Amino acid sequence: DIVMTQTPLSLSVTPGQPASISCKSSQTLLHSDGKTYLYWHVQKSGQPPQLLIYEVSNRLSGVADRFSGSGSGTDFTLKVSRVEAEDVGVYYCMQSIQPPITFGQGTRLEIK
Amino acid sequence: QVQLVESGGGVVQPGKSLRLSCSASGFTFNNFGFHWVRHAPGKGLEWVAVISSDGDKKYSADSLRGRFIISRDNSKNTLYLQMNSLRDEDTAIYYCAKGMRNLDSWGQGILVTVSS
Repeated sequence: DIVMTQTPLSLSVTPGQPASISCKSSQTLLHSDGKTYLYWHVQKSGQPPQLLIYEVSNRLSGVADRFSGSGSGTDFTLKVSRVEAEDVGVYYCMQSIQPPITFGQGTRLEIK
Repeated sequence: QVQLVESGGGVVQPGKSLRLSCSASGFTFNNFGFHWVRHAPGKGLEWVAVISSDGDKKYSADSLRGRFIISRDNSKNTLYLQMNSLRDEDTAIYYCAKGMRNLDSWGQGILVTVSS
C-alpha cells in the first residue's frame, strides 16, 4: 500500500498569514497516462470532506484562489496564501493511483 | 446538483450485519465509480471500498478481511455497503463518495455504532 505522510499534523496561523502543508508518498503518484493522482480534501467541523484540489494543482470550481497545490512524483504541497477564519479544518492529501486509496494522517489548521 | 444521501446506519451488536445505502441524484449515476470511506472517532479518514461504474470491478481494504461487500444497482441510482461480522472498531461515520479517482462529491455521512 502507498503510505501518505503529512507534515505538520497541526498548524496555528494568524489570519492573513500564509500556511503550507507537505505531503509525501512512499511511491510515485505519476501514472503511465501522464496524470499524477494526488488530491487535497478538507473536512470542516461537522461536515463531510470536500475536494479542494485534484491532480496536484487543479482547484475545484468554487475553491478560493488563495489555495494552491504543487509538487510532483512523491513530494507535494498545499499552500494557503492568506489564511482566513473559514479555512479552519483538517486537510488530507489522498492518492488514487492504485487501490487501496490512501489518505495522509490529516493536518489540523487552526486560527491564532 | 449532485446529491448523495446515505442511510441504513444505527446501533448494532458485535457480530451482526448492517447494510448501508447511498442514494444518488443530480447526475448520471452509471457513468461514475463510487467509494465508501469511513471516519472513526479520533482518527483520520479510512478508505473502505470502491466499485466501478458498471459494477464489474470492486476492491476493498485488506484490513476488512472480506467482511464488507460493495455493490450497486444502476437501475435505482443506489450504492450499497453490506457489512458483516461487525466489530467495535467498525464504529465510524461512513461516507459514500463519487468518482473513481477524485472523490469529487461526498454524502453527509451515516453513523454506525457497534456496541453491545
